[in-house]
Amino acid sequence: AQSVAQPEDQVNVAEGNPLTVKCTYSVSGNPYLFWYVQYPNRGLQFLLKYITGDNLVKGSYGFEAEFNKSQTSFHLKKPSALVSDSALYFCAVRDSGGNNRLAFGKGNQVVVIP
Amino acid sequence: GAGVSQSPSNKVTEKGKDVELRCDPISGHTALYWYRQSLGQGLEFLIYFQGNSAPDKSGLPSDRFSAERTGGSVSTLTIQRTQQEDSAVYLCASSRTGLTGNTIYFGEGSWLTVV
Repeated sequence: AQSVAQPEDQVNVAEGNPLTVKCTYSVSGNPYLFWYVQYPNRGLQFLLKYITGDNLVKGSYGFEAEFNKSQTSFHLKKPSALVSDSALYFCAVRDSGGNNRLAFGKGNQVVVIP
Repeated sequence: GAGVSQSPSNKVTEKGKDVELRCDPISGHTALYWYRQSLGQGLEFLIYFQGNSAPDKSGLPSDRFSAERTGGSVSTLTIQRTQQEDSAVYLCASSRTGLTGNTIYFGEGSWLTVV
């Protein structure tokens, strides 16, 4: 079964500094990887995904993520964090073998300090 | 519609009552999912519908939970004899097809409180 680990509960970063949210995954086949963001009292909003091709994926709001097969990682990054980036971030994985489930990590709370 | 629509957005119900939560997926999306988000449990998969195929019900936590999808579009999640531990946000999502690379888009959720 596929699974995702987001090792940090909370990430604090000063506004303007680089932001990194870590994610590692486990699947039996090839991984399809996703990042979602959740603002308070809202649903999940899609940021970006990796299916195949370039390991560096660019998404919404200036976010990007790098797929690293050898380290089974898919860390989310933003070069310069904004206060408005403060939210809950979820990494998710789906097995290319056709499993219907999108397995989510527990989420990381990002706090951007003005 | 423009996005996944869920109703009600908030529901407070008494323990033991039945509740129905509705989801209207993005127009043309054949795959529909229900997830539950609760404190301490993260995001749990509940059920998956794809076209006319038999749904994947493997995530439903008990036989008090059921879901149907009529006409391949709108879905209803029903919780019978609600318990306090059912309090959570119920998120519906849809994707264009069931292919694993398709992006899954989520609604705003139905916030259920059982008192």
